[in-house]
Amino acid sequence: DIVMTQSPLSLPVTPGEPASISCRSSQSLLHSNGNTYLNWYLQKPGQSPQVLIYLGSNRASGVPDRFSGSGSGTDFRLKISRVEAEDVGVYYCMQGLQTPFTFGQGTRLEIK
Amino acid sequence: EVQLVESGGGLVQPGGSLKLSCAASGFTLSGSGISWVRQSSGKGLEWVGRIRNKANSYATAYAASVTGRFTLSRDDSQNTAYLQMNSLKTEDTAIYYCSSYNYASGSFHYWGQGTLVTVSS
Repeated sequence: DIVMTQSPLSLPVTPGEPASISCRSSQSLLHSNGNTYLNWYLQKPGQSPQVLIYLGSNRASGVPDRFSGSGSGTDFRLKISRVEAEDVGVYYCMQGLQTPFTFGQGTRLEIK
Repeated sequence: EVQLVESGGGLVQPGGSLKLSCAASGFTLSGSGISWVRQSSGKGLEWVGRIRNKANSYATAYAASVTGRFTLSRDDSQNTAYLQMNSLKTEDTAIYYCSSYNYASGSFHYWGQGTLVTVSS
């Protein structure tokens, strides 16, 4: 199974400041079709998860442009350029390259 | 409005069975894969299994923790997917979410609100 490792697990951020979350996979997420199957999801308090970033760096529909995804192979990063109060929640990376699909442990972003 | 609505959760004794449903509205489920993801209280997300669409032969795959006990199915004419859970264990207690898999984006595009399954004597 592919192991996904996120850091940090807790991220206190002052509104307006940037934030960054790292995600590493135990093997490359690059498929032979050229796509990299790494997604980022946000689970806001009391809600279901929602997709933020797909295929490593593509923002899902309706996601603010302050969110960006980068990386390749086994190292990925989610960046928020200026954190807002509504960004509070738990962020998960997930690999969709092969089953079993696996999630990172989650990073809890909180407002200072 | 696009929606996925899970139902069928509840309290069941260890060793018992439960069947969850995932009904789609506002879009056609037939073109999508369906995955189930669960979340134990205060814990992270755990992928349970997936069923592909007709074009991919309705192929299924499961997490090791549920293989042999859980079965995925779907009825595209009813725009609904199902998760049959047998031989339930206390560690299966969780909120179960269904999600639709978008093949173009390789992501879980839509999520339901979740249904709580509690396995306890």
